[in-house]
Amino acid sequence: EAGVAQSPRYKIIEKRQSVAFWCNPISGHATLYWYQQILGQGPKLLIQFQNNGVVDDSQLPKDRFSAERLKGVDSTLKIQPAKLEDSAVYLCASSPYGGGLGTEAFFGQGTRLTVV
Amino acid sequence: KNQVEQSPQSLIILEGKNCTLQCNYTVSPFSNLRWYKQDTGRGPVSLTIMTFSENTKSNGRYTATLDADTKQSSLHITASQLSDSASYICVVSPAALSYNTDKLIFGTGTRLQVFP
Repeated sequence: EAGVAQSPRYKIIEKRQSVAFWCNPISGHATLYWYQQILGQGPKLLIQFQNNGVVDDSQLPKDRFSAERLKGVDSTLKIQPAKLEDSAVYLCASSPYGGGLGTEAFFGQGTRLTVV
Repeated sequence: KNQVEQSPQSLIILEGKNCTLQCNYTVSPFSNLRWYKQDTGRGPVSLTIMTFSENTKSNGRYTATLDADTKQSSLHITASQLSDSASYICVVSPAALSYNTDKLIFGTGTRLQVFP
């Protein structure tokens, strides 16, 4: 079974520029998560999709971050404009439909963003 | 507020020794608890997942315990190897509002270093 694919693996941009990350979840997985992980901290949920609908985006800085999941499969996360404090690893994860009792969540390798 | 706290923050042990990592949570109502291993520069990988009715689960040299009454979990690593050097993250899911959502609340992790 193919894992969660993310690209790019690394990205360096200047502050105020824009950047986009892409995630392809495991085939058939209905739930898709985007997390921000700052060095030395645990991942923080940015947005959770169920198919192509948003379940939770309460911690997404909506003035600069946006995400979409067209057709309930691939997803993109965009930052515009980027700030220095956005430097982090952005992790995408997916899990099968019907997570209630704890179905497994699988993570991609992440995109390491450095804002200079 | 739903929180997950882990201790110690970091740990250094010698190869072949055992160690135990702790996780305390305030998530309520509670659905399941997971332990993830995250190697540097990679996404988290699941080690164990336990529902509220389970109190122990093993995965090779990793054994997780859960006390849902005291809201505590531990991860015991037996006969440590150099490859065990990583961050270990405790993740708790609240009871789902509906069966098709599964939120993940992350601890900040314990960074384990195993030296020869």
